[in-house]
Amino acid sequence: DIQMTQSPSTLSASVGDRVTITCRASQSISSWLAWYQQKPGKAPKLLIYKASSLESGVPSRFSGSGSGTEFTLTISSLQPDDFATYYCQQYNSLWTFGQGTKVEIK
Amino acid sequence: QVQLQESGPGLVKPSQTLSLTCTVSGGSISSGGYYWSWIRQHPGKGLEWIGYIYYSGSTYYNPSLKSRVTISVDTSKNQFSLKLSSVTAADTAVYYCASVVVIKGGFDYWGQGTLVTVSS
Repeated sequence: DIQMTQSPSTLSASVGDRVTITCRASQSISSWLAWYQQKPGKAPKLLIYKASSLESGVPSRFSGSGSGTEFTLTISSLQPDDFATYYCQQYNSLWTFGQGTKVEIK
Repeated sequence: QVQLQESGPGLVKPSQTLSLTCTVSGGSISSGGYYWSWIRQHPGKGLEWIGYIYYSGSTYYNPSLKSRVTISVDTSKNQFSLKLSSVTAADTAVYYCASVVVIKGGFDYWGQGTLVTVSS
């Protein structure tokens, strides 16, 4: 099984901050990585696929980078709507998710 | 715009079988190019992929659940279904159906999710 580890687990930030979340895979997954945003009581929303491809309709302040075993999700200027939990997910071998990073108001 | 909607009992007794159905609208399961999946989320926890079915009927399951999971498809109704046998309290979770575009790999369309509680 490929394990996905996100850091940090919780992140406190203010509106306008640049935010970076890291995701590490237990083995190389090439660029087969997606990022999701989830708000309480809602289904996750796809933000990024293939490590750096922005899903249609997702604001350009979201970006993804990385390959192999280390990946990042960056929000260039945090907006009020961005306070949520973020998950990475690999699909090199079936699908597994990271444990999540909660972005909360500082 | 593809939409997915889960349906099924919200309460299941221990040792029984959990059964859920996902109805797809705005697109055809038979058109191909998508894996139709089930994912669950334990209360306050992360996401766990359960398995997928392709329109042809081919399936793949999470090895940790494989012995208890069956996913089937009814193309005439544009639905796919999940059965999870011998449930325990550890199977209490929000269950989502979702689709994966084969060329993308990420789950792009999701149902709203349905909470299934395992309790006597």
